[in-house]
Amino acid sequence: EVQLVESGGGLVQPGRSLRLSCVVSGFTFDDYAMHWVRQAPGKGLEWVSGISWNSGSIGYADSVKGRFTISRDNAKKSLYLQMNSLRAEDTALYYCAKDRNREGALFDYWGQGTLVTVSS
Amino acid sequence: DIQMTQSPSSLSASVGDRVTITCRASQSINRYLNWYQQKPGKAPKLLIYAASSLESGVPSRFSGSGSGTDFTLTISSLQPEDFASYYCQQSYSIPRTFGQGTKVEIK
Repeated sequence: EVQLVESGGGLVQPGRSLRLSCVVSGFTFDDYAMHWVRQAPGKGLEWVSGISWNSGSIGYADSVKGRFTISRDNAKKSLYLQMNSLRAEDTALYYCAKDRNREGALFDYWGQGTLVTVSS
Repeated sequence: DIQMTQSPSSLSASVGDRVTITCRASQSINRYLNWYQQKPGKAPKLLIYAASSLESGVPSRFSGSGSGTDFTLTISSLQPEDFASYYCQQSYSIPRTFGQGTKVEIK
């Protein structure tokens, strides 16, 4: 069974940093691209960042470029999102999502999300 | 960036109705279009990929069509478990973008 479990969310002040983690099981992690997708309270889905199977291709939404960094550790079957200079508008439920392919953007499995609240 | 525009933003329908949701891309994305269903408090679920391919396990009452800039998700006979929000998403270019969503409610 495919499982994705996010952690690291919480309440943080504007301007501070937070690191999200996603640990997976049930599939060969290093065969697939991975992504972070967020959803602000009561709002729609927003793709945040994606990383290819071998970390050779990385992309970001314009809204987080220069502030967030995605990475993966294939040995630990883990995906990360380092979030710096956090803003109130970054408040959201952050989902980790598995891609169907080594590169691309077809999200076939999702975690349950970790909530990030940016507030003073 | 490619903008994805869904219509309507919400709709009310009855069990058994045929429901159609439209998604328009701001430029051609060939058939790089996926559809997701999200129920309250749950993670999204993949329904349709590559514009018209049905994800394994998804009921055949769901179908997708379109190419280029205009796409459609159709539910042929709405069931009680289909009341949810639906999102289109382009996988043609970075940044990946979603439509704003369509909420399907009970009439």
